[in-house]
Amino acid sequence: GQNIDQPTEMTATEGAIVQINCTYQTSGFNGLFWYQQHAGEAPTFLSYNVLDGLEEKGRFSSFLSRSKGYSYLLLKELQMKDSASYLCAALDSNYQLIWGAGTKLIIKP
Amino acid sequence: DAMVIQNPRYQVTQFGKPVTLSCSQTLNHNVMYWYQQKSSQAPKLLFHYYDKDFNNEADTPDNFQSRRPNTSFCFLDIRSPGLGDAAMYLCATSRAQGSTDTQYFGPGTRLTVL
Repeated sequence: GQNIDQPTEMTATEGAIVQINCTYQTSGFNGLFWYQQHAGEAPTFLSYNVLDGLEEKGRFSSFLSRSKGYSYLLLKELQMKDSASYLCAALDSNYQLIWGAGTKLIIKP
Repeated sequence: DAMVIQNPRYQVTQFGKPVTLSCSQTLNHNVMYWYQQKSSQAPKLLFHYYDKDFNNEADTPDNFQSRRPNTSFCFLDIRSPGLGDAAMYLCATSRAQGSTDTQYFGPGTRLTVL
């Protein structure tokens, strides 16, 4: 079956760095998305990786290893507004998004 | 600004009373999606349309139906809502089907069933 695993919850301190991991098993693979979702709101797009390596976009970076079925989202210089759920979603061979349940990130002052 | 709009943002209905949720988009995207998301769970795809071609996910209950009268609008009908249908309903769009195009989400409609 197809599956996405990511931690349920993480806690970090304002100003620090946090890495949110995601492992995936899909029928075929056409890339991996990260979305941010604040409580009670819709997911918003953060990043898309299809090639191995690190993609940096401001304070947020996303990494992909296709051979390991693994990705992570790296958030630097954490701000209180980064408190949200972070959803990992892999695109399978039919271009269907397979979603993880999300990692709830709690930022403490 | 081009966007995905959902109305209403909050909907309360009674057990068994039909309800319709609406979604519109100004992105001129070909594909529209309806997801159900319960608290702390992954979004679950209910339907998607490529233009007017309707695609029903295999495990979407018959209680849920959808209509897309034109490119801009899409509706989700819940014929007889049960307590288990209380959730956030998310509408999303993407430019093309069968591609790596990003899905863009509306703000969602939170459905409460009394």
